[in-house]
Amino acid sequence: GAVVSQHPSWVICKSGTSVKIECRSLDFQATTMFWYRQFPKQSLMLMATSNEGSKATYEQGVEKDKFLINHASLTLSTLTVTSAHPEDSSFYICSARLGASGTYEQYFGPGTRLTVT
Amino acid sequence: GDSVTQMEGPVTLSEEACLTINCTYTATGYPSLFWYVQYPGEGLQLLLKATKADDKGSNKGFEATYRKETTSFHLEKGSVQVSDSAVYFCARGTDKLIFGTGTRLQVFP
Repeated sequence: GAVVSQHPSWVICKSGTSVKIECRSLDFQATTMFWYRQFPKQSLMLMATSNEGSKATYEQGVEKDKFLINHASLTLSTLTVTSAHPEDSSFYICSARLGASGTYEQYFGPGTRLTVT
Repeated sequence: GDSVTQMEGPVTLSEEACLTINCTYTATGYPSLFWYVQYPGEGLQLLLKATKADDKGSNKGFEATYRKETTSFHLEKGSVQVSDSAVYFCARGTDKLIFGTGTRLQVFP
């Protein structure tokens, strides 16, 4: 099946610094990629949807200036958490979809655990 | 807004026991319904799906039926195995997915 990787799998950073998380579709070209955030014992919350070559669409309540998303190619999307603070500590998960339509399946990465100290 | 509610875990079962994980969803529109499974250290994988009322999704011995009248999509398996131990997520949507909180299943030999 389709494989999506994330790097790093975990990261610890100091408050005020920025962290970049990569999401790659390894064996298919992803027209659309999604970024989710998951708090302990809570569901995955969609943060933003990105289509290759265009600006990401952010969900209500997600700060676009804090969570910068770039989808520069059909196999790579990046999420940069800028000026990170302890409340940004969370599990970030990406998914990739072959097509723009919702009829295509989403394939998920293994997630990145971010800890801000 | 739209939401998905699923039973809290962990669910602890002995091997070969029957499994039911409850899931209900808000009925806005005509969403597709999904069950995803996450094994330790891996990403979510689609387990099964149903796209319209009365559809039954099935895979690997798991089944779930899209019940519009009760807005439910309960996951069932007649005989679980140790290898089924994982976290199971119910989700609704088509273009965007809305997830439940996940239910951890632990199966012991």
